[in-house]
Amino acid sequence: EPEVTQTPSHQVTQMGQEVILRCVPISNHLYFYWYRQILGQKVEFLVSFYNNEISEKSEIFDDQFSVERPDGSNFTLKIRSTKLEDSAMYFCASSGDGQIREAFFGQGTRLTVV
Amino acid sequence: AQSVTQLGSHVSVSEGALVLLRCNYSSSVPPYLFWYVQYPNQGLQLLLKYTSAATLVKGINGFEAEFKKSETSFHLTKPSAHMSDAAEYFCAVSTSQGAQKLVFGQGTRLTINP
Repeated sequence: EPEVTQTPSHQVTQMGQEVILRCVPISNHLYFYWYRQILGQKVEFLVSFYNNEISEKSEIFDDQFSVERPDGSNFTLKIRSTKLEDSAMYFCASSGDGQIREAFFGQGTRLTVV
Repeated sequence: AQSVTQLGSHVSVSEGALVLLRCNYSSSVPPYLFWYVQYPNQGLQLLLKYTSAATLVKGINGFEAEFKKSETSFHLTKPSAHMSDAAEYFCAVSTSQGAQKLVFGQGTRLTINP
């Protein structure tokens, strides 16, 4: 069964460092998303990506964040100059181009900023 | 704007008992509604979805949910709980517009007592 894969499963970084979270969406999907879940809080939408550009982003997704689809298979989230409050579980998701775009989620990357 | 409220951050039932997880939504346009489950150390897995085809929706693992527009609710039920149902459950709403981003509730942790 096709699945969304994320790497690494856990990353520890020092405050101020840049991190790149990687995702391989399901191969025939066209919409890609990043969500995050701070411990004990809701899963929050960060950004959606379609046709090689951001289609929607939340208030959280400021200039510190960027997304890229560098090739035909990977979808990355870059966080520049990480802060302590960026510590969270980051979920990648993808969906097809139907009327109802059911999102398939990866297992998440737990980012810990120290 | 859309929002989801899940009543009860923690629900505990006995094995074999009825499971009822409550979800109320707010949406200015006809919503799509979803229930996701998250098992420990895993990603979000879709349990079921409401997309206006039928108000009673059946999902995987014996779960079902009923869309009640008058009550703006989409409660999740299962007639007989199993130990393997222990997990975190998330209700989410999206619309047919734009990127169809998901807005999640805060989650309900379901514990099954033997």
